[in-house]
Amino acid sequence: DAKTTQPNSMESNEEEPVHLPCNHSTISGTDYIHWYRQLPSQGPEYVIHGLTSNVNNRMASLAIAEDRKSSTLILHRATLRDAAVYYCILRDSYGTSGSRLTFGEGTQLTVNP
Amino acid sequence: GAGVSQSPSNKVTEKGKDVELRCDPISGHTALYWYRQSLGQGLEFLIYFQGNSAPDKSGLPSDRFSAERTGGSVSTLTIQRTQQEDSAVYLCASSLWLAGGHQETQYFGPGTRLLVL
Repeated sequence: DAKTTQPNSMESNEEEPVHLPCNHSTISGTDYIHWYRQLPSQGPEYVIHGLTSNVNNRMASLAIAEDRKSSTLILHRATLRDAAVYYCILRDSYGTSGSRLTFGEGTQLTVNP
Repeated sequence: GAGVSQSPSNKVTEKGKDVELRCDPISGHTALYWYRQSLGQGLEFLIYFQGNSAPDKSGLPSDRFSAERTGGSVSTLTIQRTQQEDSAVYLCASSLWLAGGHQETQYFGPGTRLLVL
């Protein structure tokens, strides 16, 4: 599986935007970029995913670099509830790696009031 | 609607005992996954069920671990002769699996916290 690299931790202030980076320099042309997050004492939850174009949903935006070697998850206005570990995951569109999610270390986001 | 549920929420057992962990997936979801998360570690895939296909057991750490999914719905993860290193949070997820799998969203339960003394 192609590998992703994320900072171990980041901090933000409440109501400010947060940009969470992810490097995936060995991404293949068929890999989708998925983001999940895990709030304290809960299971992970889906945030967003994309292939080439930037994506927006009610939770966040995903900005994908033109060469697809990196991406950024954007939380437009962080709230205390957004404090979580954020995981950037690559998924092979041909399913050669199976349907499992391969989690890395993720980024621990702290949101200050 | 109802999400993925798991029981028990917490389980404390003695080394050497067998434990059963239960997962109730979202109704209609064809795919079911088990993962575990050890203290301070990332999530580790264990096993995957998809419809009537043979399960993908490639993530099970030893033959003490087994899982079954009855009637394409509820799943039970069984750990025999538990060891202290089995202590972890066991997470179940389900999805409405799409061909290719690359766009499928997995919905996770709250997990079962297992402590082996």
